[in-house]
Amino acid sequence: SQTIHQWPATLVQPVGSPLSLECTVEGTSNPNLYWYRQAAGRGLQLLFYSVGIGQISSEVPQNLSASRPQDRQFILSSKKLLLSDSGFYLCAWSAGVYEQYFGPGTRLTVT
Amino acid sequence: AQSVTQPDIHITVSEGASLELRCNYSYGATPYLFWYVQSPGQGLQLLLKYFSGDTLVQGIKGFEAEFKRSQSSFNLRKPSVHWSDAAEYFCAVEEPTGGFKTIFGAGTRLFVKA
Repeated sequence: SQTIHQWPATLVQPVGSPLSLECTVEGTSNPNLYWYRQAAGRGLQLLFYSVGIGQISSEVPQNLSASRPQDRQFILSSKKLLLSDSGFYLCAWSAGVYEQYFGPGTRLTVT
Repeated sequence: AQSVTQPDIHITVSEGASLELRCNYSYGATPYLFWYVQSPGQGLQLLLKYFSGDTLVQGIKGFEAEFKRSQSSFNLRKPSVHWSDAAEYFCAVEEPTGGFKTIFGAGTRLFVKA
């Protein structure tokens, strides 16, 4: 069966520090991969999605970036965090135009 | 542009009472429709989905949803709510022709009182 992992589970970082969040999927090949951010009391905001290695589409211009160095690995990065980057980050995968399967999330607090 | 509206930010129901969560979408054609549930501090879990066919779909945990084309709605229902159903519920739509982007509603938080 397929599983999706995210780490770390929680992270507290100072403003201006770099960020790296990792997501890996097991048990499937060539998944579509997604990064979402969920601010407190808000819905999900799609940040990036990828349909293959090295193929990244950005939905929201900001100081975040994403990379897909391997088929089942998706990384969210920032060179300098802002206070507004705080939130709950969710990674998800799908097998094409179907339902998405979400990871457990990373709670990021920028101080 | 596609959009999803969940008119109720939060709803409180008594345990054992029936539940209906509303969802309306704006899209030119019939999209794929989903309901997800999120427990506090967790990821989202798919409850049910509608692609085509029977407009009443059954999901996990005793939930069902009805697609009404004339009303552009996909409301989620459960006949008898359990305390463990307290969570946040998200309606979502996706273009059936591809695009790989799912649009989520803002969510409805369900509180269950004893």
